[in-house]
This record gives sequence, C-alpha cells and structure tokens, in this order.
Amino acid sequence: AQKITQTQPGMFVQEKEAVTLDCTYDTSDQSYGLFWYKQPSSGEMIFLIYQGSYDEQNATEGRYSLNFQKARKSANLVISASQLGDSAMYFCAMREGGATNKLIFGTGTLLAVQP
Amino acid sequence: GAGVSQSPSNKVTEKGKDVELRCDPISGHTALYWYRQSLGQGLEFLIYFQGNSAPDKSGLPSDRFSAERTGGSVSTLTIQRTQQEDSAVYLCASREGGSHYGYTFGSGTRLTVV
Repeated sequence: AQKITQTQPGMFVQEKEAVTLDCTYDTSDQSYGLFWYKQPSSGEMIFLIYQGSYDEQNATEGRYSLNFQKARKSANLVISASQLGDSAMYFCAMREGGATNKLIFGTGTLLAVQP
Repeated sequence: GAGVSQSPSNKVTEKGKDVELRCDPISGHTALYWYRQSLGQGLEFLIYFQGNSAPDKSGLPSDRFSAERTGGSVSTLTIQRTQQEDSAVYLCASREGGSHYGYTFGSGTRLTVV
C-alpha cells in the first residue's frame, strides 16, 4: 500500500536559518508525484512544490527546494532563510497512480519559526 | 471562479442531525476530491469525482456519508445522523483533467457535532 511518513511532529528553527522537513514514501508505482503543502492556522492548504518521479533535477520554488532521493524514497523539503510567516503545519503528499490520481498525505510537521 | 469555494465555513450541528457541505470547484476542473482532516491529523481521502461520476468512494467511512456532483461542477457531501466522531474539517480539492499536479484546495468546512 502507498504510504507517506513524516517522522517529525514538530520542529523549531531560528529566523533566517534553513530547516529540513523529512518525508519518506512507499510505493510500487514507477510514475508518481510528490508534493509539499503548507497549512497555516487559518486552515487553507497552500501548494509549495512538486516533484515528479521522472524529474532528474530537484524541484525548487523560491526559498523552497525538494531534496529528492529516489533510491531512498525520500522527498525532504528544505526551507532556506526561514521567516516568521513560515510557522505552519507542513504536509508531504504523494499522487497515487491509477485512474484517480488522489493524493495520499502524511501526518504533517508543525514548524515554529522563532525570532 | 478564481478558486475552490466551500460553504459553510463553519457548521455546528446536534448529534443525529443531517448536514450538507458544499464545494464549488474551479470552472473547468473535471476532477474533484473530498478529504477529511480530524484535529491534529493529516488529510484522509473520502471520495473522488471525475465529472459527475464517482469511480472511487473507498474513503467514505460509513453508509451515513454520501456525495454527489451535478453538472460536472458543484459537489455536495452529505452526512446523515451525525456523530461526534464526524467532527472535523472537510476539505475539497479540484484538478484540471490533464494536470498531474494542479490540485487546488478550498478553505474547508469546520464541522462540529455537539
């Protein structure tokens, strides 16, 4: 069965420092996609970054980068130069193969950025 | 519309009552998903629509839960005879048919069963 594992329930980081949020996944599909979403206290799910399984280069979007290690089945999110506004819940998700393309989510990591 | 709209944003209901939650996806998005997020948890898949049909209902937790989609647009999630364990945030997402990563989420409906 496909599964996403986030082992860090909570993380602290100092403002302006970089932080890595861990995500491992399990799938037997050859074609899949990996996502990171940010959920602030207001509740909306904000898309951050996407990595396709066939993408050879790690995805980057501004201060966000995805450290994709296919052999280890990991897709860690790196946030550089943390800002106070980065404090939120972060979810890793995988697009399930097949007809539905539904997203399977991890349990999330609560990030607190300290001044 | 510009985004996925969900209503109501908050709903408090008495145990045993029926509730309807509405999702208005982005115009033209053929795929629509409902998820449930219990307090402090990740998102749990409920049901997937492609157009008006629901080829995957595998996440619906019981027969008290049902959903429909009409006109390839608005979807309604209905919970009958609500229980306290139904209290959660219900999120809807839509995706353009040809996209592998363009999922847009609504702001959710926070359901509280008292």
